[in-house]
Amino acid sequence: AQTVTQSQPEMSVQEAETVTLSCTYDTSESDYYLFWYKQPPSRQMILVIRQEAYKQQNATENRFSVNFQKAAKSFSLKISDSQLGDAAMYFCAYRARFGMRFGAGTRLTVKP
Amino acid sequence: DVKVTQSSRYLVKRTGEKVFLECVQDMDHENMFWYRQDPGLGLRLIYFSYDVKMKEKGDIPEGYSVSREKKERFSLILESASTNQTSMYLCASSLIRTDGHNEQFFGPGTRLTVL
Repeated sequence: AQTVTQSQPEMSVQEAETVTLSCTYDTSESDYYLFWYKQPPSRQMILVIRQEAYKQQNATENRFSVNFQKAAKSFSLKISDSQLGDAAMYFCAYRARFGMRFGAGTRLTVKP
Repeated sequence: DVKVTQSSRYLVKRTGEKVFLECVQDMDHENMFWYRQDPGLGLRLIYFSYDVKMKEKGDIPEGYSVSREKKERFSLILESASTNQTSMYLCASSLIRTDGHNEQFFGPGTRLTVL
């Protein structure tokens, strides 16, 4: 079974600085999809960014980018120019055949 | 925009009660999911459904059942609530796509407390 590990329960960053959230996963599949979801205090989960495993190029969405290391099974999220609105729980997820496998989450605090 | 709604944001029930959590999506998605979210454990899949009247067990189905009589509605049922089912319950939906871009859209969650 696939597992997803987020080793940082909490992280903090100064406003306008850059922060990287770590994620590792375990799978025997060669083609798969990885996601980062954000859950603000209001609790509605929203997709931040996704990565197809067959693509070597790292995905980027505005201030959010990933560092996908397939051989190391690592999928970190970098947030540049952090904003107060980035404060949230961040979940790394692996798309299984049905549903997702989620990590335990990282709570990000943004300090003004 | 896709909208996934859940019938209650907060719910308090007593041990042994039968509990229904309702989820409705308005984008004609084939797939629907129920997760529970607990601190330090992330989200864990309880059940999912890929079509009307079809259901599959997820990772933690014990103590739960589901019903999908209409495409837009997916219900989670706790036949006899227990205190260890106190949790945040999240519903999600997605399209069936072969390219893998089946992003899941989540509801706001229901915080269930079982006393």
